[in-house]
Amino acid sequence: SQQGEEDPQALSIQEGENATMNCSYKTSINNLQWYRQNSGRGLVHLILIRSNEREKHSGRLRVTLDTSKKSSSLLITASRAADTASYFCATGTGNQFYFGTGTSLTVIP
Amino acid sequence: SQTIHQWPATLVQPVGSPLSLECTVEGTSNPNLYWYRQAAGRGLQLLFYSVGIGQISSEVPQNLSASRPQDRQFILSSKKLLLSDSGFYLCALGPAGTYYEQYFGPGTRLTVT
Repeated sequence: SQQGEEDPQALSIQEGENATMNCSYKTSINNLQWYRQNSGRGLVHLILIRSNEREKHSGRLRVTLDTSKKSSSLLITASRAADTASYFCATGTGNQFYFGTGTSLTVIP
Repeated sequence: SQTIHQWPATLVQPVGSPLSLECTVEGTSNPNLYWYRQAAGRGLQLLFYSVGIGQISSEVPQNLSASRPQDRQFILSSKKLLLSDSGFYLCALGPAGTYYEQYFGPGTRLTVT
């Protein structure tokens, strides 16, 4: 299966701290994406990193990709209470996307 | 900009009853369309995807089917619901190609009783 797995499953931090979550996957990919899901809502795309890229930044987000280890990490710096959500990685090849099991992040004000 | 509509938002159905969930999109042409299911507290499972009218690919054998009668309409159906069909159903669209993100609809929460 191409489905990724996020680690940790749950993470609780204080506002202002950094949050790091990891994603591991099993097969070759063309790109890896991170999404956020607020409780009971649809997913929102955060960032896409191509298989030939190693690091990408978007605002307070930093994503790394290590294709040799088949892993990616998402770093959220200076977290805010509004960052409380579930975060999923998704691997894509062509027309298909496979999502991981998600990390539930709680940011305590 | 692209918009995805899903209805109903919530649905409670008895076991053995039929199901029809509809997804329509605006602001794009010839998108790839997807149906995902999310069990409580779990990740997303890709159920079906479509690259065009009448073209459906199924990811897992199941009690569900999908159809795409129009370019911007994607329907998820079942003839007889099972308890295990309960979940949060999400429709998504993505431009054809490799390096594009998906856009998700608001979802339908289905409870089979």
